[in-house]
Amino acid sequence: KQEVTQIPAALSVPEGENLVLNCSFTDSAIYNLQWFRQDPGKGLTSLLLIQSSQREQTSGRLNASLDKSSGRSTLYIAASQPGDSATYLCAVWGYGQNFVFGPGTRLSVLP
Amino acid sequence: GAGVSQSPRYKVAKRGQDVALRCDPISGHVSLFWYQQALGQGPEFLTYFQNEAQLDKSGLPSDRFFAERPEGSVSTLKIQRTQQEDSAVYLCASSYPGLVNEKLFFGSGTQLSVL
Repeated sequence: KQEVTQIPAALSVPEGENLVLNCSFTDSAIYNLQWFRQDPGKGLTSLLLIQSSQREQTSGRLNASLDKSSGRSTLYIAASQPGDSATYLCAVWGYGQNFVFGPGTRLSVLP
Repeated sequence: GAGVSQSPRYKVAKRGQDVALRCDPISGHVSLFWYQQALGQGPEFLTYFQNEAQLDKSGLPSDRFFAERPEGSVSTLKIQRTQQEDSAVYLCASSYPGLVNEKLFFGSGTQLSVL
């Protein structure tokens, strides 16, 4: 059974810092990995989708990498802003499975 | 519509009551998912539809949970004889056209509180 973990569970940084969020998964047989953002009381917003054949995806200040063989993904946020404060979740879609989510990293960017 | 719409936004039920949660996916989206999210946790898969066919219901926690999508668009998640442990946020998501390499679009969820 696929298991997804995220480190750290919570992170607090001053505005302007670059930061890295980590995601690990136990079964490397995946179709894709997605990073989502969740604001309090809201649903999830898809940030980046990396297909299993890809190594990374970029969108603005966000860059996500995927190392399928080691079961790891990182989300890099450049020049963090207070508006980036949210919970970030990764999810993997595995063969014969549906999306399995990690528990999330709660990010606070302090002005 | 512009996005996935869920109603009601909040639902308070007395233990033992039946509840029905509605999801309106993005128009034309083939795939529809229901997830359950406990406080401070990631979403847990409940069930998946492709058009009107329920292809996977392995995540439904008990036979008190039932989901349908009779015309391949709007979906309803029904919980019978609610228990306190059913308290959670129920999220609906949709995607198109395929499955494995398409982004999921989520609704804002229904927060269910069972007293």
